[in-house]
Amino acid sequence: QKEVEQNSGPLSVPEGAIASLNCTYSDRGSQSFFWYRQYSGKSPELIMFIYSNGDKEDGRFTAQLNKASQYVSLLIRDSQPSDSATYLCAARVGYGGATNKLIFGTGTLLAVQP
Amino acid sequence: DTGVSQNPRHKITKRGQNVTFRCDPISEHNRLYWYRQTLGQGPEFLTYFQNEAQLEKSRLLSDRFSAERPKGSFSTLEIQRTEQGDSAMYLCASSLTQGGTNEKLFFGSGTQLSVL
Repeated sequence: QKEVEQNSGPLSVPEGAIASLNCTYSDRGSQSFFWYRQYSGKSPELIMFIYSNGDKEDGRFTAQLNKASQYVSLLIRDSQPSDSATYLCAARVGYGGATNKLIFGTGTLLAVQP
Repeated sequence: DTGVSQNPRHKITKRGQNVTFRCDPISEHNRLYWYRQTLGQGPEFLTYFQNEAQLEKSRLLSDRFSAERPKGSFSTLEIQRTEQGDSAMYLCASSLTQGGTNEKLFFGSGTQLSVL
């Protein structure tokens, strides 16, 4: 079982709709979670992070965390064609001490149709 | 803030040759990470430094890979005797530890390695 799992997609949504991206993780010790956006041929760009149960909103983006279910999601409201990219979910494992890396999922390809 | 800088952007080499990549982190960042990414996959952790100390190295990393960060500033990643399976995007990221769980990694543009 991979430590961070995502559906590879593609997830296709019409312009203006809500895109819902999901991620599960296996390590219950994971402390914080990150969503990165990656355009084709480019490097990952951080868009949100969350470490407390519940919702965190930033503009059109909402990150949701449920530690009991080991589930993280990203909602994108009013999706735009420019949101079309791969969305990477990452979990920080081993807060404190020597193990401090981010483990990434394979990413979900989002396609927003005009 | 000039961001994380990586050089070269692209590297084409023949199998068996050695290659070296450089990463310059954001100036005040004390942690530096190397990741590798292949098509359709997420970034895979290779190693990371806090200042000049290499604190963790992936078990997946063979002895042909070595990384240094001699003065706690820029870092180099060397691959000896390259193999075709080494072809990938090599990403560098840096962060500033703030004692919390929300330490954020910022990535450079990467070095695309092609081994022929």
